[in-house]
Amino acid sequence: EPEVTQTPSHQVTQMGQEVILRCVPISNHLYFYWYRQILGQKVEFLVSFYNNEISEKSEIFDDQFSVERPDGSNFTLKIRSTKLEDSAMYFCASLFSGGNTGELFFGEGSRLTVL
Amino acid sequence: AQTVTQSQPEMSVQEAETVTLSCTYDTSESDYYLFWYKQPPSRQMILVIRQEAYKQQNATENRFSVNFQKAAKSFSLKISDSQLGDAAMYFCAYRSWLNFGNEKLTFGTGTRLTIIP
Repeated sequence: EPEVTQTPSHQVTQMGQEVILRCVPISNHLYFYWYRQILGQKVEFLVSFYNNEISEKSEIFDDQFSVERPDGSNFTLKIRSTKLEDSAMYFCASLFSGGNTGELFFGEGSRLTVL
Repeated sequence: AQTVTQSQPEMSVQEAETVTLSCTYDTSESDYYLFWYKQPPSRQMILVIRQEAYKQQNATENRFSVNFQKAAKSFSLKISDSQLGDAAMYFCAYRSWLNFGNEKLTFGTGTRLTIIP
């Protein structure tokens, strides 16, 4: 069964460093998302991406964050200068078709630890 | 803005018994979707069940069913005949009807379900 894959599964970085989290969505999906979950807190929406552009972003998704789909398969989340509060589990998700019956498919998550 | 509340951080149930996970939400919208997602340890979050707010009938998927009380803004998940494989974190989530093409979900904090053999 096709699935969303994420790498790395766990990354440890120093504060101020750049981090790139990678996702390979399901191949025929058109909509892509990043969510994050700080330990013990809610899963929060970060950004949605369709047709090579951001369709919506949350207030969490500030100028330190960016997303791109560089090669038609990968979907990346970049954090330019990590902060301690960026430590979280980051989930990528994809969706075949927009509309009111779509089911999101999630990856296993990438755990980011900022020291 | 919508909010989703799961008041039970942890639940446990004996294998083969029935357990109900609670979820309440707050919204001013009349049309929306509600979901239960399951996240087994170190695995992907997967959709368990979905309910459209305009449908009065409660959704069911095999051993999983919901009790959707629109007026009370309550959306509980019932798992019947619990199995060891049901052990996971369960998330309740809300999606506005208006988010056409944008599956922006609002999640609760989750309930960790333990199955006792």
